[in-house]
Amino acid sequence: DAGVTQSPTHLIKTRGQQVTLRCSPKSGHDTVSWYQQALGQGPQFIFQYYEEEERQRGNFPDRFSGHQFPNYSSELNVNALLLGDSALYLCASSVVRGPPRGANVLTFGAGSRLTVL
Amino acid sequence: KNQVEQSPQSLIILEGKNCTLQCNYTVSPFSNLRWYKQDTGRGPVSLTIMTFSENTKSNGRYTATLDADTKQSSLHITASQLSDSASYICVVSSASGGSYIPTFGRGTSLIVHP
Repeated sequence: DAGVTQSPTHLIKTRGQQVTLRCSPKSGHDTVSWYQQALGQGPQFIFQYYEEEERQRGNFPDRFSGHQFPNYSSELNVNALLLGDSALYLCASSVVRGPPRGANVLTFGAGSRLTVL
Repeated sequence: KNQVEQSPQSLIILEGKNCTLQCNYTVSPFSNLRWYKQDTGRGPVSLTIMTFSENTKSNGRYTATLDADTKQSSLHITASQLSDSASYICVVSSASGGSYIPTFGRGTSLIVHP
């Protein structure tokens, strides 16, 4: 049973460019959330997708956008990249089985390491 | 503002010794608290999850405690092994309008020396 898979594992971009990161959730999971983890810091919540809609959003600018597909996979898009966007981007999946939704354990992928030059 | 503070920031111990990591939070309304282990270059892996009514939870050599009154949690590692070297992250979720938002601590970096 495959866990959460993310691609690409590493990528390098320059300032002003755009990037798309991809995530396939664990089999049986229907909710995907994205996190940004700067070096030496804890992950910061970007947003969460369920039923192909953004359900919750953290304190990130509109340059960060996402999408969830009918097969529950998800993309994270970042436009107009800044040097400060360099980080490990983590995707986590979980399953909604009724309240309390937040009690579901998040299964994380290995992350996509983005470097902005 | 919801915050999760972890201490110490880093810790070095010898193999076989015990250690305790601390987590203080100001998250409201509280839903649950989880401890994750994150190996270098990998995604976090869940160790324990506790809701308001639980004050202790064990997972092998890992034991987590929760004091909801003082808003403190600890993770105790018994008989440490070299493979315990990792970052340990405390995550507290708040409940609002039927949705749940996790707040992550910065983590404690644990190094176990032979």
